[in-house]
Amino acid sequence: AQSVTQLDSQVPVFEEAPVELRCNYSSSVSVYLFWYVQYPNQGLQLLLKYLSGSTLVKGINGFEAEFNKSQTSFHLRKPSVHISDTAEYFCAVTSVDRTGKLIFGQGTTLQVKP
Amino acid sequence: EPEVTQTPSHQVTQMGQEVILRCVPISNHLYFYWYRQILGQKVEFLVSFYNNEISEKSEIFDDQFSVERPDGSNFTLKIRSTKLEDSAMYFCASSISGGTTDTQYFGPGTRLTVL
Repeated sequence: AQSVTQLDSQVPVFEEAPVELRCNYSSSVSVYLFWYVQYPNQGLQLLLKYLSGSTLVKGINGFEAEFNKSQTSFHLRKPSVHISDTAEYFCAVTSVDRTGKLIFGQGTTLQVKP
Repeated sequence: EPEVTQTPSHQVTQMGQEVILRCVPISNHLYFYWYRQILGQKVEFLVSFYNNEISEKSEIFDDQFSVERPDGSNFTLKIRSTKLEDSAMYFCASSISGGTTDTQYFGPGTRLTVL
């Protein structure tokens, strides 16, 4: 079985500051990793995903994430945030050898202040 | 850009009543999913559906739940006799194929409130 823990429920940050949203996972099998973002009144939108290869993954809107197998982490980063990045961010995993069932973390609310 | 749509955005019902949540997946997608998020908790997988059959379901998806693709465009989740604990945001998602590397596209959700 897999589980995902997002270590921060809320992250307040000032505009143009860097941000890191933390995600740790637990799994007895190989997994693929995802970050989704949910803007108010919208569905979850894929930011980026790690399948294989380079451990640094770049996504949309200037976000990137680094897969660390030894620490079972997949933290999301952005060097300079904008007000428009205010949203809920979800980390998720799926087993490599199963169907596309996603296992989600609790979500982190990113609050960007002017 | 194609998107997944869900109706209604908010459904209020009395305990014991049946509800049907509706979703229109992206037109060329073949795999469909329902997830739910109880307030303050994680988004949880309910069921996946392909070729008019359930591919996988979670422990939550008991006999009170059913899914159907009644026509070529809609995908529905029915709860036969709602309970207070069914109150949650329900998300529909679809993907081109059911592969684990595939991106799932989510709808905006239906908030179900059971009184």
